[in-house]
Amino acid sequence: QLQLQESGPGLVKPSETLSLTCSVSGGSISRNNYYWGWIRQPPGKGLEWIGSIYYSGNTEYNPSLKSRVTISVDTSKNQFSLRLRSVTAADTAVYYCARLPTAVTTQFIDYWGQGTLVIVSS
Amino acid sequence: SSELTQDPAVSVALGQTVRITCQGDSLRIFYASWYQQRPGQAPVLVIHGRNNRPSGIPDRFSGSSSGNTGSLTISGAQAEDEADYYCSSRDSSGNHLLFGGGTKLTVL
Repeated sequence: QLQLQESGPGLVKPSETLSLTCSVSGGSISRNNYYWGWIRQPPGKGLEWIGSIYYSGNTEYNPSLKSRVTISVDTSKNQFSLRLRSVTAADTAVYYCARLPTAVTTQFIDYWGQGTLVIVSS
Repeated sequence: SSELTQDPAVSVALGQTVRITCQGDSLRIFYASWYQQRPGQAPVLVIHGRNNRPSGIPDRFSGSSSGNTGSLTISGAQAEDEADYYCSSRDSSGNHLLFGGGTKLTVL
């Protein structure tokens, strides 16, 4: 059974960089036709896609966050990571990592991490 | 298009059928997927593709699509179906993922 687990600081100061890692177990991150992504959910609000990465390193980012986001992959560790720069209180959210099966006419999320709450506060 | 639109709230009587819809230009090209999220939990995939249910999802959940609208139907809603439901699809460019704003389903 595939499992994804987010890790990283739960508290980040304004203007600093939020860094999270997703460790994947029970399956290889280097499989074809799967992107690996980050989704966030501010308290009491809806889901927002942050970005995704393929094992080859190809990335896709939400245009509204693109200037501040970097997603990277480490296939040797079966992990991928998120860096979000210059954070503000508006970046406070539960951050989920996820697997995204991808085909010509569809992309969906079949596995989610449990989510990790990141609070931006001084 | 860069938007998927859902009704904020829908209610259904116990045992009745309810349809939750998702509108967006990208749905003319890409299938919607649907997620159930209960309070304090991660979302769970309930429908993807033309009408595919992952293992463990009850067959009362089904999906359909017409034009720019995707729909999730729950036939014979149960108390445990009370949750937030989100649709998702690629945007029209095919380069980004979109989420709808979510629909809060109340089972009366």
